[in-house]
Amino acid sequence: DQQVKQNSPSLSVQEGRISILNCDYTNSMFDYFLWYKKYPAEGPTFLISISSIKDKNEDGRFTVFLNKSAKHLSLHIVPSQPGDSAVYFCAASDNYSGNTGKLIFGQGTTLQVKP
Amino acid sequence: NAGVTQTPKFQVLKTGQSMTLQCAQDMNHEYMSWYRQDPGMGLRLIHYSVGAGITDQGEVPNGYNVSRSTTEDFPLRLLSAAPSQTSVYFCASKGGLSYNEQFFGPGTRLTVL
Repeated sequence: DQQVKQNSPSLSVQEGRISILNCDYTNSMFDYFLWYKKYPAEGPTFLISISSIKDKNEDGRFTVFLNKSAKHLSLHIVPSQPGDSAVYFCAASDNYSGNTGKLIFGQGTTLQVKP
Repeated sequence: NAGVTQTPKFQVLKTGQSMTLQCAQDMNHEYMSWYRQDPGMGLRLIHYSVGAGITDQGEVPNGYNVSRSTTEDFPLRLLSAAPSQTSVYFCASKGGLSYNEQFFGPGTRLTVL
């Protein structure tokens, strides 16, 4: 039972355009969401997060939107750069698990930004 | 700070062999976790620890043992390797309470023949 789903295995965009990565979840107890970025042969690195009390969080070129009623979040990258090409993982946590570091990850979306 | 380190980077085992994947962090983090990454499955939690002497199971604990004798180290043991344990393994650590980012190691790629 996949509680966090990233239904698009891959996404290809042109440099300078917007990249939109999507993530859906089923567990209504999740109240904190994170995006991680992973390059080949490296560990995931934290990108941006959002609490369920917010519907938007922005950090430079990266913005995460949360729609709790739809149990959906998205990551927007504007403008996209070739260096953004990586695998992006959505992850979720509930109030209890957040203190323990337990995260539930989606399957990942491979983003390719073409020059 | 070296952050989270993992050894070895690569390992090939035969079915039934045992081995220990090492993980260490130098950030004095209380929380440490082991994940495995498989194609199409994302990262799945194997075991985690909230401090020295305290461990608990994650989503996919079968076939793995852990212990946490020090704050810095969190080794993952495979007692009898199976081909289903072929995967990339990541160790992560997190400091403090509440939500904050986890730091991941570079991973160990394990192949079980």
